[in-house]
Amino acid sequence: AQSVSQHNHHVILSEAASLELGCNYSYGGTVNLFWYVQYPGQHLQLLLKYFSGDPLVKGIKGFEAEFIKSKFSFNLRKPSVQWSDTAEYFCAVISMEYGNKLVFGAGTILRVKS
Amino acid sequence: DAGVIQSPRHEVTEMGQEVTLRCKPISGHNSLFWYRQTMMRGLELLIYFNNNVPIDDSGMPEDRFSAKMPNASFSTLKIQPSEPRDSAVYFCASSFLGSGANVLTFGAGSRLTVL
Repeated sequence: AQSVSQHNHHVILSEAASLELGCNYSYGGTVNLFWYVQYPGQHLQLLLKYFSGDPLVKGIKGFEAEFIKSKFSFNLRKPSVQWSDTAEYFCAVISMEYGNKLVFGAGTILRVKS
Repeated sequence: DAGVIQSPRHEVTEMGQEVTLRCKPISGHNSLFWYRQTMMRGLELLIYFNNNVPIDDSGMPEDRFSAKMPNASFSTLKIQPSEPRDSAVYFCASSFLGSGANVLTFGAGSRLTVL
């Protein structure tokens, strides 16, 4: 079955620490990959996306993600987190083989301590 | 653009009552999605439409749930009768599905509490 796996459900970091959130998917073929962020009490906002080309994509607020096709992974990174990055982060995948469905991972709750 | 607009933002109702959630997608978008978010199950795709036609409703939990899209600027998600386990945040999202990639924009959500 198609699935998106996020390795950590809760992550706690201190300000200025580096962040890496793991994401793996089980789809074959062509995929579009996304990271969305949900700040407390708010709706989902797009952080970054990968469709084709350079596998290292840069998004808003200093976030970046790397698509490694051989590992079916799309990990999110940020060199130095801020307190304002406290939020829930969702990896999501659209597989061209399975139509237009955007399937989300379970989410990772990030808490940044000031 | 005002983005994806959902109403109501909050709804509290009693078990057995009918609930109707509404969504206005971004003008020009041709795809619309309904998601449900709960602590236990995360974000689940319930149904999506393309050009007002339901394409995949395999995520709709049961017959109590129904969704319509009578035109390109309006969709409803109806639960009848509602049950406490339907309590969740329901998100609507829209996108333009064309030759390029497909990016969903989400609304603010409708938080439903069924007592």
